[in-house]
Amino acid sequence: NAGVMQNPRHLVRRRGQEARLRCSPMKGHSHVYWYRQLPEEGLKFMVYLQKENIIDESGMPKERFSAEFPKEGPSILRIQQVVRGDSAAYFCASSPVGLKISSYNEQFFGPGTRLTVL
Amino acid sequence: KQEVTQIPAALSVPEGENLVLNCSFTDSAIYNLQWFRQDPGKGLTSLLLIQSSQREQTSGRLNASLDKSSGRSTLYIAASQPGDSATYLCAVTTDSWGKLQFGAGTQVVVTP
Repeated sequence: NAGVMQNPRHLVRRRGQEARLRCSPMKGHSHVYWYRQLPEEGLKFMVYLQKENIIDESGMPKERFSAEFPKEGPSILRIQQVVRGDSAAYFCASSPVGLKISSYNEQFFGPGTRLTVL
Repeated sequence: KQEVTQIPAALSVPEGENLVLNCSFTDSAIYNLQWFRQDPGKGLTSLLLIQSSQREQTSGRLNASLDKSSGRSTLYIAASQPGDSATYLCAVTTDSWGKLQFGAGTQVVVTP
């Protein structure tokens, strides 16, 4: 059973370009979380998605950031018109159930995508 | 507002010593607490998850305790090895959607 996969592992963009980060959850997992780790800062929650639904986007910046988790295919975090402050490691995690279903909601993390904005 | 704190921020021990890592949280209304390991430039590896109704969890050389009322968790690593060198993160879940709130981590170096 492959773990959570993220690609690309490293992404370089110039200011103003778009960044697309992909996350394939573990097989059988239908819950995806995105987190961001800024340099010298801890991990911060961004968004929680289930298939075709955004459940909680309270951690997403109000502009330029969006996320989706289609019925088929990976979850995608999209950052439009990137700025230098977007440079960070972006991690995706998946879990088999949501916390509302089971209190045992262990999250499994991917290797991350390291975004560098020039 | 939930705040998660990990002390110390960094720790260096000789091989063979036991490691004790601390995590505290300000709001005791948590669903669970999870300990992770992060190696430089890598993702997070889940080590242990303690549900709010549990007092501790064990896996091999690792043991984690949880005292919800005092807002504390401790991760013990017995007989440390150089391969245990990494950053250890604790995270709590305080809402029913399951999002994790992380501490800043403890960077551990185990010297041979």
